[in-house]
This record gives sequence, C-alpha cells and structure tokens, in this order.
Amino acid sequence: KQEVTQIPAALSVPEGENLVLNCSFTDSAIYNLQWFRQDPGKGLTSLLLIQSSQREQTSGRLNASLDKSSGRSTLYIAASQPGDSATYLCAVSLGAQKLVFGQGTRLTINP
Amino acid sequence: NAGVMQNPRHLVRRRGQEARLRCSPMKGHSHVYWYRQLPEEGLKFMVYLQKENIIDESGMPKERFSAEFPKEGPSILRIQQVVRGDSAAYFCASSGIRAGVRNEQFFGPGTRLTVL
Repeated sequence: KQEVTQIPAALSVPEGENLVLNCSFTDSAIYNLQWFRQDPGKGLTSLLLIQSSQREQTSGRLNASLDKSSGRSTLYIAASQPGDSATYLCAVSLGAQKLVFGQGTRLTINP
Repeated sequence: NAGVMQNPRHLVRRRGQEARLRCSPMKGHSHVYWYRQLPEEGLKFMVYLQKENIIDESGMPKERFSAEFPKEGPSILRIQQVVRGDSAAYFCASSGIRAGVRNEQFFGPGTRLTVL
C-alpha cells in the first residue's frame, strides 16, 4: 500500500528566505508526482508535475526534485513571499489513475 | 478555457437526506476523479470514472455512496441518507490522457457538505 509522508507538518519562516518542503513515499513504482497548493477553504492548484522518468521540474521560484529510488521529493521555494502562505500537498500516482496524498505542510511566511 | 467546475460550492443537508454533488471536467478531459477531505485529514481518493464507466471505486464506502459520469452532462457523486460523518469537502479532478502525454490532474473548487 502506497503511503505518502510530508515533513514538516507546519513551517513558519520570515519573508525572503529560501525553504525546502519534503515528501516521501513507500512504493517507488510511481507514474508521476504532483505538488499542489491549497489555500484555506479553497481547491487545489497544481504547481508542478514530475514524470517518473524525470529528476526535476522548475516553475518560476519553485523547483521540485524527484528521487524515485529513495522514495523522496523536495519542493524548493526561493525568496519566499507572504503570498506563498498556504498548505502544500504532495501526491503520487500509481498508473495513470488515482493520486495518493500526503497530509500536507502548512507554510506561513511572515512579513 | 474554463477549469473544473463543481456545484454547489456549499451544501447543507439534514441527517437522512440525499446529497448530489456535480462536477464538469475541463474541456477535452474525459477522466474524472472524486476525492474527499475530512476535517483535519488529508485528501482520500474515492472513485475514478470515464464516460459511462466506473474504472476504480476502491475508495468509495460500500453503502450509500454512488457515482456516475454519463455520456452527456456532468459527473454526479450521490450520497444517500447522509450522516454527520459525511460532512467534508468533496473535490473533483479531471485529466486528459493520451499516449505520451503526462497525466496531470486539475482540481475543482470543491463542494463543502455540512450535515446537520
């Protein structure tokens, strides 16, 4: 059974800092991995998707890496801003079907 | 190009009533997924549908819950005889799958169900 863990559960940093969010999964036979952002009371916004054959993806200040063999992914956020405050979710898919989500990291960027 | 649409956004039901949640996928997408987010818990997969077919319902409770994605119209998640434990946010996602194209799921804003 695939399990996804995100550490830390919550993180608070001052504005401008670079930060790393961690995600680990137990079954390395994944199809892809997605990082999402969820604002309170809202839906999920897809940030980055990494195919199983890829090592990283970048979008603006965000960079996600994937190490399938060790079952780990990281989301790097550069020069954090208060608008980055949200819950960040990691999810893996087994086959082109359902996503298995972690519990999320609640990020607060302090002005 | 409109994203995934869900309605209603908020739904209040009394115990024993029926709840119907609707999801219209993104244009061009023929794969729909439903997920549930219970208070203070992560998102859990419920069901995966293609047009007129249920592909994977391994996350659906065995009783009172059903889903469909008809040839015409939105996907419907139906909860019969709701109980307080059904109170949650229900999210729909859609994807377009073609050979060689990544399977990225796009989520709707969710329906927040409150059972009184």
